[in-house]
Amino acid sequence: DAGVTQSPTHLIKTRGQHVTLRCSPISGHKSVSWYQQVLGQGPQFIFQYYEKEERGRGNFPDRFSARQFPNYSSELNVNALLLGDSALYLCASSSSVSGLTGYTFGSGTRLTVV
Amino acid sequence: GESVGLHLPTLSVQEGDNSIINCAYSNSASDYFIWYKQESGKGPQFIIDIRSNMDKRQGQRVTVLLNKTVKHLSLQIAATQPGDSAVYFCAVHSGGSNYKLTFGKGTLLTVNP
Repeated sequence: DAGVTQSPTHLIKTRGQHVTLRCSPISGHKSVSWYQQVLGQGPQFIFQYYEKEERGRGNFPDRFSARQFPNYSSELNVNALLLGDSALYLCASSSSVSGLTGYTFGSGTRLTVV
Repeated sequence: GESVGLHLPTLSVQEGDNSIINCAYSNSASDYFIWYKQESGKGPQFIIDIRSNMDKRQGQRVTVLLNKTVKHLSLQIAATQPGDSAVYFCAVHSGGSNYKLTFGKGTLLTVNP
């Protein structure tokens, strides 16, 4: 059974551009969360979606948005990219909205903004 | 909000020794705690978790201890192996409708053969 899959694995963008990152959760998991991990730091929460509804939002600007599709896959969109958006973007899936059943992370998308 | 701190950013041990990695959290309402291992270029990998109604939980070569009185969490790795070398994060779930994990900055564990 496949784990959490993310695409692309690596991406290089120019300042001001837009980027879309994709995530497919573990089969049967309805909750998807997005995290940003800058080098040397722990992951920081961006969004959580459950049953296609936003259930939580971290302290990120409105340039960051996300959505969840009927098959529970998810996209993270970032507009007007800044150099500081360079990071590893992680997706995590969970079988419950509360997350108390645990979170499984994907390998992430490494975004570099130049 | 929740804040999660770590006592040591790096830890170096000899192969076969036991390792202890510590974590402190701030929110007494936190109800669920997870330790993750992250190797270079990979996403965090689940090691062990514990809920707030427990003090101790054991897995294969790993033990998590939770002290809610002082809001402290530790991960013990028995007979540490070179393959255990990685960055270890504690992650705290704050309970209620706050559906997120707050991570510490991580401890880099280096196992010397």
